[in-house]
Amino acid sequence: QLHLLESGPRVVKPSGTLSLTCSVSGDPISSSTYYWGWIRQTPGRGLEWIGCIDFRETTYFNPSLQSRVTISVDTSANQFSLRLSSVTAADTAIYYCTREHFGEVSWWAQGTLVTVSS
Amino acid sequence: DIVMTQSPDSLPVSLGGRAAINCKSSQSVLFRPNNKNHLAWFQQKPGQPPKRLIYWASTRESGVPDRFSGSGSGTDFTLTISSLQAEDVAIYYCQQYYTIPYTFGLGTKLEI
Repeated sequence: QLHLLESGPRVVKPSGTLSLTCSVSGDPISSSTYYWGWIRQTPGRGLEWIGCIDFRETTYFNPSLQSRVTISVDTSANQFSLRLSSVTAADTAIYYCTREHFGEVSWWAQGTLVTVSS
Repeated sequence: DIVMTQSPDSLPVSLGGRAAINCKSSQSVLFRPNNKNHLAWFQQKPGQPPKRLIYWASTRESGVPDRFSGSGSGTDFTLTISSLQAEDVAIYYCQQYYTIPYTFGLGTKLEI
């Protein structure tokens, strides 16, 4: 059974960097045919796809966020991570790590609320 | 970006009844090489992540009751829920995975 668990600071200061890690159990990233991604959700903008990565470190990003987003993978720890720089209040959202295959999202983590606030 | 427009925003329903949720994409999500519509439907209940119900526009996820069905092609799609149960109260989203950025509709809230 696949399980995804996010971890990281729940409060980030404006202009700072949001950092989240997703720990994967039940599917080795290094041998998986899937991509590992991030999606966020806000009441105003709804669900927004952020980007994804595979074990070869091939990445795809939402062009609207690409300049501020880094997604990395650590196959030895079976984890992948999101960094979003220069955050503002508009980046306050529930962030979900996911398993996907070219946008076909088949598994979601529980989600973690990250608030941008001083 | 492909814009996904859902209707209605909210849908009052009766237990045992039938609900139809519409989703329209601003461009076709039918991928000719595999003749598949890159369209999924999700259900989200309060405090939970979205759960995939349907992919390829009409393929039901394993374990999803057969009262949920998806139809449509190109730019117009429908999620139909028959014999509505109390546990079907949720927000339903459509999503296209035809092209980056993958995009979602704003959701349809099913209300008893």
